[in-house]
Amino acid sequence: GEDVEQSLFLSVREGDSSVINCTYTDSSSTYLYWYKQEPGAGLQLLTYIFSNMDMKQDQRLTVLLNKKDKHLSLRIADTQTGDSAIYFCAEREAGGYNKLIFGAGTRLAVHP
Amino acid sequence: ETGVTQSPTHLIKTRGQQVTLRCSSQSGHNTVSWYQQALGQGPQFIFQYYREEENGRGNFPPRFSGLQFPNYSSELNVNALELDDSALYLCASSLDRGGYNEQFFGPGTRLTVL
Repeated sequence: GEDVEQSLFLSVREGDSSVINCTYTDSSSTYLYWYKQEPGAGLQLLTYIFSNMDMKQDQRLTVLLNKKDKHLSLRIADTQTGDSAIYFCAEREAGGYNKLIFGAGTRLAVHP
Repeated sequence: ETGVTQSPTHLIKTRGQQVTLRCSSQSGHNTVSWYQQALGQGPQFIFQYYREEENGRGNFPPRFSGLQFPNYSSELNVNALELDDSALYLCASSLDRGGYNEQFFGPGTRLTVL
């Protein structure tokens, strides 16, 4: 069945890089996403990657996709305190509509 | 261009009651999806509406129903509320043109069922 898994918690020092990992099961997923959720807020799309890509870079964000292992990662360079939030990995289910399947989220804590 | 808005922000109901949550899509968007996010979990897909028709549904019972209006605003209705329905309800709108279409999420409605 469909499942997206993430580690629940990550703590990093300000200025270091953060790497958040995700595994998914649906090999037919077309797009994979990273969303950010701050306390009391909705979801903010950070970046996405199409399933035929291996890597995508967007300013401080780097997404790596390993389709063979169904592994997705998000690297945040020079992590800042403002990056503290919950990060969700999501896959778009293959099919005619735009259903997203989310992981449980990784809480990123950035400390001085 | 206005973003996705939802109302109310917070809501408290009791078991067995009915609730209606509202979503105003981003201007020009023809598709709206609803998600339920229980505490400490990721959002779960409830259903999607495209041009006023439901065109996809997740693993939710029929007491979860919805409407999409000609102006692409939307409602989520939940009947016979249960304690487990307590969650943050998120709507997301998008413009479906085939291929990639970004979903823009609203801030959510936090529903508490007592």
